[in-house]
Amino acid sequence: AQKITQTQPGMFVQEKEAVTLDCTYDTSDPSYGLFWYKQPSSGEMIFLIYQGSYDQQNATEGRYSLNFQKARKSANLVISASQLGDSAMYFCAMREGHSNYQLIWGAGTKLIIKP
Amino acid sequence: GAGVSQSPSNKVTEKGKDVELRCDPISGHTALYWYRQSLGQGLEFLIYFQGNSAPDKSGLPSDRFSAERTGGSVSTLTIQRTQQEDSAVYLCASSLVGSGQETQYFGPGTRLLVL
Repeated sequence: AQKITQTQPGMFVQEKEAVTLDCTYDTSDPSYGLFWYKQPSSGEMIFLIYQGSYDQQNATEGRYSLNFQKARKSANLVISASQLGDSAMYFCAMREGHSNYQLIWGAGTKLIIKP
Repeated sequence: GAGVSQSPSNKVTEKGKDVELRCDPISGHTALYWYRQSLGQGLEFLIYFQGNSAPDKSGLPSDRFSAERTGGSVSTLTIQRTQQEDSAVYLCASSLVGSGQETQYFGPGTRLLVL
């Protein structure tokens, strides 16, 4: 079974609109961390935001926020006021508490911002 | 401070030749990771180093692949007798163990093309 599921292979969004990228996860470990990375066409993997399973509040980093719904096991990335430079692949990843290093990756969502 | 660096940025080689890919992690990061990403695909874990030791080599696809890390810093991934299916982007990441989040920070990657 997939541990990280990103159901949107591709999305088109109008510039300046908000966009939500979906991520659901599956783990029985009570301690885990969730990460979002951005990969532009240049290929570099850029860390965006982190949410710990015990964090009481949703993580935010500038225009990025994480809509963390623990009971539903979802960790959707919200980008407010999208910009042309947001066009990229976006990957959701999880680290389970029993592993201090291994990340489990989703298949990614390709986001294209239209002018 | 400097991020993760990788060299070369691009490598074209002939089938059957050996190649060496280098990764220089963020200073002070004790953990180092190698991933492979084929065109349009997600990340495939190859190997993880903690210091100079590699507790997890489970992702290495064959015995043609090997990696080492010296001085707890620079790592080299070696592919012997390259095959066309080895063509991919090889990404290196590093993280600070004990930081809580253990966020992995990535280098720009090496694009390998085997002719």
